[in-house]
Amino acid sequence: AQSVAQPEDQVNVAEGNPLTVKCTYSVSGNPYLFWYVQYPNRGLQFLLKYITGDNLVKGSYGFEAEFNKSQTSFHLKKPSALVSDSALYFCAVRPIIFNAGNNRKLIWGLGTSLAVNP
Amino acid sequence: DVKVTQSSRYLVKRTGEKVFLECVQDMDHENMFWYRQDPGLGLRLIYFSYDVKMKEKGDIPEGYSVSREKKERFSLILESASTNQTSMYLCASQEGLRTGELFFGEGSRLTVL
Repeated sequence: AQSVAQPEDQVNVAEGNPLTVKCTYSVSGNPYLFWYVQYPNRGLQFLLKYITGDNLVKGSYGFEAEFNKSQTSFHLKKPSALVSDSALYFCAVRPIIFNAGNNRKLIWGLGTSLAVNP
Repeated sequence: DVKVTQSSRYLVKRTGEKVFLECVQDMDHENMFWYRQDPGLGLRLIYFSYDVKMKEKGDIPEGYSVSREKKERFSLILESASTNQTSMYLCASQEGLRTGELFFGEGSRLTVL
């Protein structure tokens, strides 16, 4: 079965330190990869995506993510964390299967709660 | 900016009531989605629509129905609400391309008593 794993329920980092939120996937083919962020009591916001090309993708709010095909991973990173980065982060994968319905469906990780401490 | 508007942020309903959750997007997106979000379970897809009057079941469609009479509006209907439908409901839209990201509304937190 196709799946997305976010192995850490919670990540704690000190403000100013680098942060990493991990995501690995088990999906056939070359999927499209996404990261979203959710602040308390809000909807999700798109951060960045990998479609093709350079393995390092830059997105909103200074976040970036590194695609590693051999490890089937797409870890989210930021060089210097801010307290305002504290939120819930979701990794999502869209399998590329030539079936109209499946092309629209995302497979979601369960989310990682990031706490940045002052 | 793309805007996805969900009509109600918070609702409290009684068991057996019919519940309508409305979602409107202003970017002429082809695809629209309804998810529910529960602690520890992440996002689960209820229904999605890729065109007016077209719909497909997601992973947990039981107890729900949807309506898409106009391209910009996608409604989620709970015919007879039950306590296990207490949840956060998220609507999203997406342009037709497979590479497109989702744009979410602010969510509707439904409590069924």
